[in-house]
This record gives sequence, structure tokens and C-alpha cells, in this order.
Amino acid sequence: AQSVTQLDSQVPVFEEAPVELRCNYSSSVSVYLFWYVQYPNQGLQLLLKYLSGSTLVKGINGFEAEFNKSQTSFHLRKPSVHISDTAEYFCAVSGQGAQKLVFGQGTRLTINP
Amino acid sequence: GAGVSQTPSNKVTEKGKYVELRCDPISGHTALYWYRQSLGQGPEFLIYFQGTGAADDSGLPNDRFFAVRPEGSVSTLKIQRTERGDSAVYLCASSPGRNEQFFGPGTRLTVL
Repeated sequence: AQSVTQLDSQVPVFEEAPVELRCNYSSSVSVYLFWYVQYPNQGLQLLLKYLSGSTLVKGINGFEAEFNKSQTSFHLRKPSVHISDTAEYFCAVSGQGAQKLVFGQGTRLTINP
Repeated sequence: GAGVSQTPSNKVTEKGKYVELRCDPISGHTALYWYRQSLGQGPEFLIYFQGTGAADDSGLPNDRFFAVRPEGSVSTLKIQRTERGDSAVYLCASSPGRNEQFFGPGTRLTVL
């Protein structure tokens, strides 16, 4: 079984500042890792995913994440945030042989002008 | 193209009633998933279909919950004898099988 811990429930940052949203996972098998974004009153949208290969993954809207197997982490970063990045961000994991996603509790990113 | 659609967008019902929630996946997607998202929580897996069959229903909380996908496209999540604790946003996702799930906007269920 897999589990995901998102270490921060809320992250406030100023516009144009860098941000890191932390995600740690637990699994006894090899995993796939995902970050989803949920804008207010909208469905979940995939930001990026790690399946294999390069541990640095680039996604949409200038986001990137780095898979660290030894630390079982998959932190999400953006060098300069915009007001439009205000949303809830979810880290998720699935086993490579499984299909269902296991989500973290979410991190609410708030951008202040 | 059209994304995953879910109807209704909002459903208010009384405790003890029966409800049906519908999901229309992206055309051609063979896999379909149901998740439940309670307030302030991440989505929790309920059930996964591959074609017409339920490949994994380990997330259904009890026998009041049931889902079908009779023709391998549209799916219906059915909840009998609703309880206040069933109140949540029910999310549907579909996948072409490339490790990416596309989510619908969800149905917000409120049980009074």
C-alpha cells in the first residue's frame, strides 16, 4: 500500500517569489508520482508526472518537481509565482502495477500581491 | 475535445434516500475511476473500471455504494440509504491507459 504526506496545509507567498510545496510518500514497491492542481470550483488538472527516467520533471505553467528516491520525496517548485497560481495542490502516488491514485491532503497556495 | 462530464453538478438529498451520480468519460478512454473528496481532504479512491468490469472496488466504503458501467462508457455511482457522512464531492476520472487520469468537475452531494 502507498501513502502520501504533504507537509504544509497552507503556503502563503508573495507574487514573483519562489515556492516549494513538499511531498513525501511511502511505498513498498516502485511508484509513479503526480502533482495535480485544483483551481477554485474546478476539477483536478495534471501539472506533471514522474514515471521513469530523469528525476527532474517539468510540467505546465512553469512548475517542476524532483523525484528523490532515497528521501522518498517529490517536492514541487516554481521559481516565480503569479497571482493566477492561487489554488490547491495535490501530490499523488500509484504503484507501477496498480491504477488507483493515492492522494495527499493537499496544500493551499495563496499568492499575495 | 470534450472532457469528462459529471451530472448533476450539485445534488441535495435527505438522509435515507437513494441517489445516482453519472459520469461521461472522454470518448475512447477504457479506464474509469470514481473518487470521493471530503471537505479539506484529498480525493479518496472508490472504484476503478477497465471496460465494463470493476477491476478494483476496494475503496467502496460499504455495501450501500455500488457502481456500474454496462457498455464500457458512461458510469453511474449509486448510493442507497444515504447518510450525512456521505456528503462530499464525488469525482470521476477517465484514462486512455497512459498513466494519466483526466478528472471531471465533480458532483457535490449534500445529505441533509
